[in-house]
Amino acid sequence: KAGVTQTPRYLIKTRGQQVTLSCSPISGHRSVSWYQQTPGQGLQFLFEYFSETQRNKGNFPGRFSGRQFSNSRSEMNVSTLELGDSALYLCASSLERGGEKLFFGSGTQLSVL
Amino acid sequence: KQEVTQIPAALSVPEGENLVLNCSFTDSAIYNLQWFRQDPGKGLTSLLLIQSSQREQTSGRLNASLDKSSGRSTLYIAASQPGDSATYLCAVSDMETSGSRLTFGEGTQLTVNP
Repeated sequence: KAGVTQTPRYLIKTRGQQVTLSCSPISGHRSVSWYQQTPGQGLQFLFEYFSETQRNKGNFPGRFSGRQFSNSRSEMNVSTLELGDSALYLCASSLERGGEKLFFGSGTQLSVL
Repeated sequence: KQEVTQIPAALSVPEGENLVLNCSFTDSAIYNLQWFRQDPGKGLTSLLLIQSSQREQTSGRLNASLDKSSGRSTLYIAASQPGDSATYLCAVSDMETSGSRLTFGEGTQLTVNP
């Protein structure tokens, strides 16, 4: 069974631009979560989607948004990039509801110059 | 607001040694607790998941315990190997989101020397 796939693996953007990251969950998994990992703040929860609906959201500004498609694939978008948005963005999937074992992708390393 | 602390931040041991990693959390109203492993530049791999009603979970050389009332968990690694070198992260999920939102500790960076 293929694992969680995140694309692209690396991204370099400049301040003010926007970026879209993609996540394909494990086949059959319906819940997708996104996390931001930085050296200073560690891992922080961004949001969770289930059946195309955002179920939970972390404490991030409105520049961070996401969506989930009918095939459970998910995208997250960051608009008006800031230097502080440089981070490893990790996607995780689980079968159904929260509280289950999470399977993480390898992440997208975003650098904002 | 839930806070998760992991001690020590880094640990270096010789191969074959048994070791314990510690995790503490401030709010005992958790849904469950998970231990993850992260290799450099990679995503996280779930090692053990302990539901709030459970006291411990075991997988191979790994054993994790949970004392919810005191807000503590430990990860015991038996007979450590160089391949165990990685960062180990503890995360708790909260009741408010029925376990969907994880709060992570900063991790313990483990080095097992041959």
